[in-house]
Amino acid sequence: DAGVTQSPTHLIKTRGQQVTLRCSPKSGHDTVSWYQQALGQGPQFIFQYYEEEERQRGNFPDRFSGHQFPNYSSELNVNALLLGDSALYLCASSFLRDFQETQYFGPGTRLLVL
Amino acid sequence: DAKTTQPPSMDCAEGRAANLPCNHSTISGNEYVYWYRQIHSQGPQYIIHGLKNNETNEMASLIITEDRKSSTLILPHATLRDTAVYYCIVRSPMYSGGGADGLTFGKGTHLIIQP
Repeated sequence: DAGVTQSPTHLIKTRGQQVTLRCSPKSGHDTVSWYQQALGQGPQFIFQYYEEEERQRGNFPDRFSGHQFPNYSSELNVNALLLGDSALYLCASSFLRDFQETQYFGPGTRLLVL
Repeated sequence: DAKTTQPPSMDCAEGRAANLPCNHSTISGNEYVYWYRQIHSQGPQYIIHGLKNNETNEMASLIITEDRKSSTLILPHATLRDTAVYYCIVRSPMYSGGGADGLTFGKGTHLIIQP
């Protein structure tokens, strides 16, 4: 059973560009959450998708947007990249009807903005 | 979700039990305690969670005090591969009205297993 997968593993962009990161959830999971982890910090919640809609959102500007597909996979889009967007981007999947909704993380995509 | 306090770092000898403390004195009655760990540059790994009873799985044991204001994660026989940052997170269950559904990570405890 494959766990959560993310692509690409690494990415280099320049300021002002746009980026799309991808996530496939663990088998049987229907919910995807995205997190940003800056160097030396804990992950910070960006948003969560369920039934192809954004359910909850953390304190991130609307340059950060997402999408969930019918097969539950998800994309994170970041527009007008800033140097401060350089971070490890993590995807976590879960099964929403599980009362405790334990989240399982993928390996992450490391984004460097120059 | 309630805040947690963890020591910034701890050492433990290989083969010994590693006991990682977490204080969550403002925890509410329906909030769970979750533990994750993150090995350098990898995604966080789920370890265990509990509400009020002690829990054990193949990775670790979770001991929650009777007043639920603190907990301890126990790795019974630590190995070098257990060196990681360990995060203690308190979280409301789904549909409890308890804030955003994202996990709130603090700075965690950097556990170093010494050979």
